[in-house]
Amino acid sequence: SQTIHQWPATLVQPVGSPLSLECTVEGTSNPNLYWYRQAAGRGLQLLFYSVGIGQISSEVPQNLSASRPQDRQFILSSKKLLLSDSGFYLCAWSVAITSGAHNEQFFGPGTRLTVL
Amino acid sequence: AQTVTQSQPEMSVQEAETVTLSCTYDTSESDYYLFWYKQPPSRQMILVIRQEAYKQQNATENRFSVNFQKAAKSFSLKISDSQLGDAAMYFCALGCMEYGNKLVFGAGTILRVKS
Repeated sequence: SQTIHQWPATLVQPVGSPLSLECTVEGTSNPNLYWYRQAAGRGLQLLFYSVGIGQISSEVPQNLSASRPQDRQFILSSKKLLLSDSGFYLCAWSVAITSGAHNEQFFGPGTRLTVL
Repeated sequence: AQTVTQSQPEMSVQEAETVTLSCTYDTSESDYYLFWYKQPPSRQMILVIRQEAYKQQNATENRFSVNFQKAAKSFSLKISDSQLGDAAMYFCALGCMEYGNKLVFGAGTILRVKS
């Protein structure tokens, strides 16, 4: 069966420090991968998605970047964190788009980031 | 652009009763799909139910069912025999292959279950 991992679970960082959040998927190949941010009590905002190694699409201009160095690894980074980067970050995967496939996304447990 | 609107920020239901959560959406695509996700206090996102737009029959999963009104672009979730474990934030989501399988989420509805 497929599983998705995120770490760390919780992170407190000072403003201006770098960030690296990691997401890995097991039990599937060539997944689509996604990074979302969820502000407190709010919906999910798609930040990045990837359909393959080295292929990253950014949804909103921001202080963050994403990379996909391996098929099932997705990394969210920042060189200098801002206060506004605080939030709950969720990684998700789905099967690659194929005709007739269910296209639901499966989510990791998330990372709670607090920037002070 | 695709949008999803959940007009109920918060709902309450008595244990064992039935509750309906509302969702409306907008898309110019004809081939799309809709989901309801549940986010309990643990914040783990859990898929509750899915509906493909080409299917006329409303999806059901045990106590969860949807009322999919394609012409009205409405996709409501009905929870029957509500249980304390149903208390969570519920998100409606819309996706389509033309948009690279990305999902657009509504703002969510907090469901409280009273014992």
